[in-house]
Amino acid sequence: KAGVTQTPRYLIKTRGQQVTLSCSPISGHRSVSWYQQTPGQGLQFLFEYFSETQRNKGNFPGRFSGRQFSNSRSEMNVSTLELGDSALYLCASSDRGLAGGGTQYFGPGTRLLVL
Amino acid sequence: AQTVTQSQPEMSVQEAETVTLSCTYDTSENNYYLFWYKQPPSRQMILVIRQEAYKQQNATENRFSVNFQKAAKSFSLKISDSQLGDTAMYFCASDTGTASKLTFGTGTRLQVTL
Repeated sequence: KAGVTQTPRYLIKTRGQQVTLSCSPISGHRSVSWYQQTPGQGLQFLFEYFSETQRNKGNFPGRFSGRQFSNSRSEMNVSTLELGDSALYLCASSDRGLAGGGTQYFGPGTRLLVL
Repeated sequence: AQTVTQSQPEMSVQEAETVTLSCTYDTSENNYYLFWYKQPPSRQMILVIRQEAYKQQNATENRFSVNFQKAAKSFSLKISDSQLGDTAMYFCASDTGTASKLTFGTGTRLQVTL
């Protein structure tokens, strides 16, 4: 099976702009989670989508949002970018079912630089 | 809430030797899962090993094995016959049984030398 893919791989934006990142999960996986990785804060959970519904949300401001489509592909959007949003954004898909207990497999990440 | 602590920021091991990375966690959940992930310089996060908390038997994957001490809330990773390709950042992580929401430790940078 093909792994998790993320596009774009690299992105440069300026403060105040918005950005949309895309993630295609492993075929058959219905759960997609997003994480932000920075040197200062480490790896932090953003949100999880399961069958087009947001199931869990981390402690991030409302500028961070996401959605999931019927084919399980997911997008995350960050509006009004700030310098502190510069990070590696990782997407993971899981074979988790409704009962939980899945394993998350990660994509290569999107590196976002905000100038 | 879950917390994961990795107290070794950096470690070094010679090729073919064995190294153990430490991890402790805290959770109020009865059903949870523990993981070790590896992140090489490419930044791709790769699953190394997974442990279900309800299983007493320690998980193994080829040269990688864990020592899961549930009462002590300890979950260490042992790498045997270390190889240069094992050089990476290693993250310990936990997840509840009802959410795909990993809580990560701060990582241990492992350098394998000749």
